[in-house]
Amino acid sequence: EAGVAQSPRYKIIEKRQSVAFWCNPISGHATLYWYQQILGQGPKLLIQFQNNGVVDDSQLPKDRFSAERLKGVDSTLKIQPAKLEDSAVYLCASSYPGTSGGQFFGPGTRLTVL
Amino acid sequence: QKEVEQDPGPLSVPEGAIVSLNCTYSNSAFQYFMWYRQYSRKGPELLMYTYSSGNKEDGRFTAQVDKSSKYISLFIRDSQPSDSATYLCAIDTHSWGKLQFGAGTQVVVTP
Repeated sequence: EAGVAQSPRYKIIEKRQSVAFWCNPISGHATLYWYQQILGQGPKLLIQFQNNGVVDDSQLPKDRFSAERLKGVDSTLKIQPAKLEDSAVYLCASSYPGTSGGQFFGPGTRLTVL
Repeated sequence: QKEVEQDPGPLSVPEGAIVSLNCTYSNSAFQYFMWYRQYSRKGPELLMYTYSSGNKEDGRFTAQVDKSSKYISLFIRDSQPSDSATYLCAIDTHSWGKLQFGAGTQVVVTP
């Protein structure tokens, strides 16, 4: 079974630039999550989708972050404009609905904002 | 106050020793308790998942939950250098996926 795929793996941008991350979840997983993991901290949930609908985006900084999941499969997370404090690893995870403990994580995208 | 507290370590142990990790939490509504392992530059990997108070064993790993004390633990027996990683506890209220993670404890197992 293929795991969660993410790209790019690394990205370096300057502040005020925009960036986008892509995630392809495990086949059949209706629930998709985006997390932000700052160095030395645990992952923090940014947004949760079930199919192509948003379940929870209460911690997403909506003035600069946006996410979409078209057709209920792949998802993109965008930051525009980026700030220095956005430097982090952005993790995508997927699961079957209602299986909190069954979240499978991708390798993450390491973003550095200069 | 953070909802989930976890000592960041690092915790260094010799090969073969028992590794003891723990987290405390503040919200008594938490019902689902997980431990994830994260190797450097990788995503977290689920190790253990428990719902109720008590112990759960899986090979060399034992997870303990004490809801009355709001305290969870993970024990790794016969530790190996390949166990060197960061261990994250994660807690949820309703199995809906909004996990609250601890900061992670870095474990180093020396040969």
